[in-house]
Amino acid sequence: AQSVTQLGSHVSVSEGALVLLRCNYSSSVPPYLFWYVQYPNQGLQLLLKYTSAATLVKGINGFEAEFKKSETSFHLTKPSAHMSDAAEYFCAVSGSGGGSEKLVFGKGTKLTVNP
Amino acid sequence: EPEVTQTPSHQVTQMGQEVILRCVPISNHLYFYWYRQILGQKVEFLVSFYNNEISEKSEIFDDQFSVERPDGSNFTLKIRSTKLEDSAMYFCASSEVGAGVTGELFFGEGSRLTVL
Repeated sequence: AQSVTQLGSHVSVSEGALVLLRCNYSSSVPPYLFWYVQYPNQGLQLLLKYTSAATLVKGINGFEAEFKKSETSFHLTKPSAHMSDAAEYFCAVSGSGGGSEKLVFGKGTKLTVNP
Repeated sequence: EPEVTQTPSHQVTQMGQEVILRCVPISNHLYFYWYRQILGQKVEFLVSFYNNEISEKSEIFDDQFSVERPDGSNFTLKIRSTKLEDSAMYFCASSEVGAGVTGELFFGEGSRLTVL
């Protein structure tokens, strides 16, 4: 079984500041991990994914995430926040190797970017 | 760019009524999904559909729910007798390969269901 915990339902940063959104996972099999973003009144859009290749994954819009097996973490970072980054971010996990077709999502973290 | 489209964007219904939510997945995708998000809660998996049959479903997906791919393009979610707790945003998603095989899911914008 897989689960995801996102620490902090709301994160507020200033424009230009570092963005750090935390995600810890639990998985009984080697996981595939994802970050999705949801802008207001839109569907979820994939930011980046980890599928057992490089542990540092780069995504769209300058975001990246690092898979740390020892910490069971997959935190999302961006060096410099932009106003357009304001959205809700969801971490998700699926089990590798087939057997399950579902993504299990965290509760989401709403990012506010202040001018 | 191809996208998943959902209709209606918002539906208000009375408790006990039947509701059908419609989705047009991306045309070359083979896996189809419904997820829902109750206000303030996490996005929850409901069901996956592949090769014209349900491949996996959650405990939420009980007998009042059904899915169908009536033709080559539409994918529908039917709720037979709606309850207040069915009020949520329902997202359709599709993928070329399954989510369990490194698949990326493409989500629609959602259908907001309000049950009164």
